[in-house]
Amino acid sequence: DGGITQSPKYLFRKEGQNVTLSCEQNLNHDAMYWYRQDPGQGLRLIYYSQIVNDFQKGDIAEGYSVSREKKESFPLTVTSAQKNPTAFYLCASSTATGRKTQYFGPGTRLLVL
Amino acid sequence: KNQVEQSPQSLIILEGKNCTLQCNYTVSPFSNLRWYKQDTGRGPVSLTIMTFSENTKSNGRYTATLDADTKQSSLHITASQLSDSASYICVVSKYGQNFVFGPGTRLSVLP
Repeated sequence: DGGITQSPKYLFRKEGQNVTLSCEQNLNHDAMYWYRQDPGQGLRLIYYSQIVNDFQKGDIAEGYSVSREKKESFPLTVTSAQKNPTAFYLCASSTATGRKTQYFGPGTRLLVL
Repeated sequence: KNQVEQSPQSLIILEGKNCTLQCNYTVSPFSNLRWYKQDTGRGPVSLTIMTFSENTKSNGRYTATLDADTKQSSLHITASQLSDSASYICVVSKYGQNFVFGPGTRLSVLP
């Protein structure tokens, strides 16, 4: 899991509720990413950030929001607009240039009550 | 369309046997290809990375090959161990852009 931590490990969401997933890294990486993983599918990019105070939408950004106020932190909020949030969420970081090998956190499993 | 396909979807082998996992991609322009190992309920961990000019890369009992002409890669696992049971994910990146992930191959090693 490298120097990336995610919390909580499990998260339960009620209908109409926003929830926030935490991601912290101490690798001094500029770039950070959020992915969603569903059974039988490849990881899909939700949002990514190449530098503090800047982030870009990925392939499935609808219903999610992020912030990047600090280099070490990239929290993901799953809003009530995300109608099918049950999934395994992975955060990753990498250098912004070069080979950009991604280091992943341990993941957060989000379940809907 | 940029895609990464992997085969087989799942594989069961006996401990000590060898196996080979396949990855085909249509991502262009190609930058590099990575193989990751993902244990159940955990984040993926990088095994190998190969650029266009590299056709073989080893990491212990794992050996990855790349044929950039046919856009195919393989991951060979030698003398499998119970701890090799995991999903193996092929990831291809484009120049200056992000990554395209394959769906993974689920490997089960039985005693």
